[in-house]
Amino acid sequence: DAGVIQSPRHEVTEMGQEVTLRCKPISGHDYLFWYRQTMMRGLELLIYFNNNVPIDDSGMPEDRFSAKMPNASFSTLKIQPSEPRDSAVYFCASSLKDEQYFGPGTRLTVT
Amino acid sequence: AQSVTQPDIHITVSEGASLELRCNYSYGATPYLFWYVQSPGQGLQLLLKYFSGDTLVQGIKGFEAEFKRSQSSFNLRKPSVHWSDAAEYFCAVGLFSGGYNKLIFGAGTRLAVHP
Repeated sequence: DAGVIQSPRHEVTEMGQEVTLRCKPISGHDYLFWYRQTMMRGLELLIYFNNNVPIDDSGMPEDRFSAKMPNASFSTLKIQPSEPRDSAVYFCASSLKDEQYFGPGTRLTVT
Repeated sequence: AQSVTQPDIHITVSEGASLELRCNYSYGATPYLFWYVQSPGQGLQLLLKYFSGDTLVQGIKGFEAEFKRSQSSFNLRKPSVHWSDAAEYFCAVGLFSGGYNKLIFGAGTRLAVHP
């Protein structure tokens, strides 16, 4: 298996623009997670899905953030409008049972 | 509240030396415990995990960890460090609820290896 796939790997955008991050989980995994990693706050869980249904979005920082999972093989995390403080590495992870497998991350820079 | 503490932000060791990375957790029940490694520009890779049973667990890349309930610790060890072990290491506690493990991560320990 190719593992968790994220795109793009790097994104640079200007403040106010919409940003969409994409994730393809490992085939057969029924849980999908979105994390954000910053120097100040470390790794934070933003939202997770089970069988494509959002279960807990309490970690989503603001209404500017939204996530969808239209099918078992694809999820998006959207930030609209983006702000400089959103600059971070965003990870997607998937899991079948107890172990979470992480993607390589998307490094987002908002100028 | 559940939390994970990694007391050492940075550690530097010489290649070939032994390594121990500390991890303490706060959780009311027996936790699921994990160690992940993150190489520069990469995602997190699972090194090892503890769910129950033998308190000394073996992982990939020659790493092991020991669960000590009395000390609420899950320290990671390696007898001889290689230059390729330079990375950031994260300890995590899994709060199993609703069918999945919600991971609470420590702040990480960055390991540098001198030749």
